[in-house]
Amino acid sequence: AQSVSQHNHHVILSEAASLELGCNYSYGGTVNLFWYVQYPGQHLQLLLKYFSGDPLVKGIKGFEAEFIKSKFSFNLRKPSVQWSDTAEYFCAVNSDTGGFKTIFGAGTRLFVKA
Amino acid sequence: GAVVSQHPSWVICKSGTSVKIECRSLDFQATTMFWYRQFPKQSLMLMATSNEGSKATYEQGVEKDKFLINHASLTLSTLTVTSAHPEDSSFYICSARDRTSGPYEQYFGPGTRLTVT
Repeated sequence: AQSVSQHNHHVILSEAASLELGCNYSYGGTVNLFWYVQYPGQHLQLLLKYFSGDPLVKGIKGFEAEFIKSKFSFNLRKPSVQWSDTAEYFCAVNSDTGGFKTIFGAGTRLFVKA
Repeated sequence: GAVVSQHPSWVICKSGTSVKIECRSLDFQATTMFWYRQFPKQSLMLMATSNEGSKATYEQGVEKDKFLINHASLTLSTLTVTSAHPEDSSFYICSARDRTSGPYEQYFGPGTRLTVT
């Protein structure tokens, strides 16, 4: 079955620490990959997306992600987090074999200590 | 561009009543719209896919008679929660696919918080 796994459910970091959130997917076919952020009380915002091309994708707010096809992974990174990055982060995937329905991982709740 | 709106943003209804939530694509035409629900501190779960002019396709475990979806035009889909119960209280989020930009990306609405008392 198609699925998206996020390894870390809760992450606590101090400001200026580096961040890496794991995401693995179980899909056949060609995949499209996304990271979304949901700030407390707000709706989803797209951080970045990968459709094809350079597997290292840069998004908004200094985030980037790397698609590693052999590992079925799309990990999110940020070299130096800020208190304002406190939010929930969702990895999402769709594929041609899944009718391009976007399926979400369970989410990672990040808390950044000032 | 690519803005999706939802109305209402927040609704309270009594148990046993029905409530309708609208999802509109404001600046593009959406042949396909999706409905998700999100329980507190949980992820988004896909409920159904609706295609303009045809019946919605529901995910396994979603009651089609309880969650009625209509996609009557290229810019509007509605979700009606029938005979709502407190366990239906949730955050309902729609998304829409721009038919001119390919199947890869969905644009998400701000969500509707439903509370059933």
